[in-house]
Amino acid sequence: KNQVEQSPQSLIILEGKNCTLQCNYTVSPFSNLRWYKQDTGRGPVSLTIMTFSENTKSNGRYTATLDADTKQSSLHITASQLSDSASYICVVIPYGNNRLAFGKGNQVVVIP
Amino acid sequence: NAGVTQTPKFRILKIGQSMTLQCTQDMNHNYMYWYRQDPGMGLKLIYYSVGAGITDKGEVPNGYNVSRSTTEDFPLRLELAAPSQTSVYFCASSSRVSGGLEDTQYFGPGTRLTVL
Repeated sequence: KNQVEQSPQSLIILEGKNCTLQCNYTVSPFSNLRWYKQDTGRGPVSLTIMTFSENTKSNGRYTATLDADTKQSSLHITASQLSDSASYICVVIPYGNNRLAFGKGNQVVVIP
Repeated sequence: NAGVTQTPKFRILKIGQSMTLQCTQDMNHNYMYWYRQDPGMGLKLIYYSVGAGITDKGEVPNGYNVSRSTTEDFPLRLELAAPSQTSVYFCASSSRVSGGLEDTQYFGPGTRLTVL
């Protein structure tokens, strides 16, 4: 069973609208949780990093939240732009090692 | 800094052929990784290295070999290509392995490999 589950698998949103991506994980204990953005044909790029004690972290129009009690994280995209079309990957880093646990990604398509 | 570079970007192999995927980083990172990404799946760790001369298996090492003779380079070798190895391969590097905030993994652009 995958240790990191993301939903929805894919979604299409209109430019200018908001959306929220979900990540549920079972990795425990964990050091930090990250959201990566992966453009088509490119490698993943880190968007946000949160430790288990942080509840929210923003990076421009991207806001990540974390509930360590329920083992859930979300990534909220505000006022989406065409350049937001990408796969968003939730990654959980176990405490004490660097064996990242990757989700399958949320595929977001922003249309004009 | 160029970051993490990978070559080639695309490659088609016949079953049984061999090839080496190249990875170089110019950030003086000690830790380097090879992942594969299958369609619709999360990245899976193939091999990793904590420094020159030291490598270790990840989650899916079968069919692959690695070496780390320098800090900068971490090539991945496929000896007998099989269709199951059709995937996108990403190399990454990081400065630390402790799982702390400072050890963000930086990824290369990927190599798309097809085995027919």
